[in-house]
Amino acid sequence: EVQLVESGGALVQPGESLRLTCATSGLTFTRYSMTWVRQAPGKGLEWVSGISGSGGLTYYADSVKGRFTVSRDNSKNTLYLEMNSLRAEDTATYYCAKGVRSGNYPFDYWGQGTLVAVSS
Amino acid sequence: QTVVTQEPSFSVSPGGTVTLTCGLTSGSVSTDHYPSWYQQTPGQAPRTLIYTTDTRSSGVPDRFSGSILVNKAVLTITGAQAEDESDYYCMLYMGSGVWVFGGGTKVTVL
Repeated sequence: EVQLVESGGALVQPGESLRLTCATSGLTFTRYSMTWVRQAPGKGLEWVSGISGSGGLTYYADSVKGRFTVSRDNSKNTLYLEMNSLRAEDTATYYCAKGVRSGNYPFDYWGQGTLVAVSS
Repeated sequence: QTVVTQEPSFSVSPGGTVTLTCGLTSGSVSTDHYPSWYQQTPGQAPRTLIYTTDTRSSGVPDRFSGSILVNKAVLTITGAQAEDESDYYCMLYMGSGVWVFGGGTKVTVL
């Protein structure tokens, strides 16, 4: 059974940094692209960042480009999102999701999410 | 900037059929956009229903189907049930590794 478990969410002040982790199990991790999607309170879904199965290709939404960095450790079956210079508008539940294949494909499995709150 | 459009809300009777659409403010949706559909109930993580236009995700009932009609991606729920009352989001591939969600459609079953 595929499982994705996010962690690392917290309450932080504007300008601070945070690293989110998505631990996976039940899949051959390197075979699949991975993605981060967020949802601000009461709002819709927003694609944030994606990474290829090898980790060699990364992609970002304009809203986070230059501030967030996605990475993966294929030896640990784990996905990361390093978030710097956090802003109030980054407040959201962050979900990791598994791509249906290694390339640019949509997602089939999701984690339960981790809440990031940015406030002074 | 191209925006992905969805109806804000829809109402369907139990056992009825509802068709949700996913379009673009500029241009037509095609299979090259790899349209996908996600269901979300309040307080829960999204669940994948359909990806690459018409492929049902594992465990999704066959009353959910996806297609492209004219210039939009379409999600059809045939024989709606009470548990289908949810928010539905479509997502399109915009190229260069970038994906964009629509604003979501709130479906009420009554």
